[in-house]
Amino acid sequence: AQSVTQLDSQVPVFEEAPVELRCNYSSSVSVYLFWYVQYPNQGLQLLLKYLSGSTLVKGINGFEAEFNKSQTSFHLRKPSVHISDTAEYFCAVSEGDSSYKLIFGSGTRLLVRP
Amino acid sequence: KAGVTQTPRYLIKTRGQQVTLSCSPISGHRSVSWYQQTPGQGLQFLFEYFSETQRNKGNFPGRFSGRQFSNSRSEMNVSTLELGDSALYLCASSNSRVNTEAFFGQGTRLTVV
Repeated sequence: AQSVTQLDSQVPVFEEAPVELRCNYSSSVSVYLFWYVQYPNQGLQLLLKYLSGSTLVKGINGFEAEFNKSQTSFHLRKPSVHISDTAEYFCAVSEGDSSYKLIFGSGTRLLVRP
Repeated sequence: KAGVTQTPRYLIKTRGQQVTLSCSPISGHRSVSWYQQTPGQGLQFLFEYFSETQRNKGNFPGRFSGRQFSNSRSEMNVSTLELGDSALYLCASSNSRVNTEAFFGQGTRLTVV
């Protein structure tokens, strides 16, 4: 069965510092990988996705992530965060061509301090 | 292009009642999925519809049901509400048969008292 692990429930960081949010997954088949962001009282907004091809994917708002198949990881990074990046971030996986079902991690709250 | 619209945004119901939530997908999108978000269980998949057919179903009791209409709008129904059904219910739509990108609505916040 698929699963997604986000080890860090909260990541505090100072404004303009770099950040990495970790995501590991387990699956016996090929997967698609996603990062979503959720602001308070809002739905989910797609930051970036990995479907195939280049393992380094760039998304919106300066975020990027790297797919590492051997380590089954898909960590999210940003070189310099802003106060406005404070939000909940979710990593998700789906089983490629066979399923529309998204399996989400438990989320990481990014708290950017001035 | 309008996004995914969920109505109502907020709802308060009493235990034992039933509730119907509505989701209008992005124009042209034929796939609609529903998720439940709670502090304890996180984001959990409820079900997914494509062209009026349920293709996938999550591990929820039969009190949770859904349907999709010919215009791709979807509704989910929860009968005999329990306190534990209090959650943010999110709807997502996609324009493809496989999940390459899902667009989420703002959700319906259901509170059961």
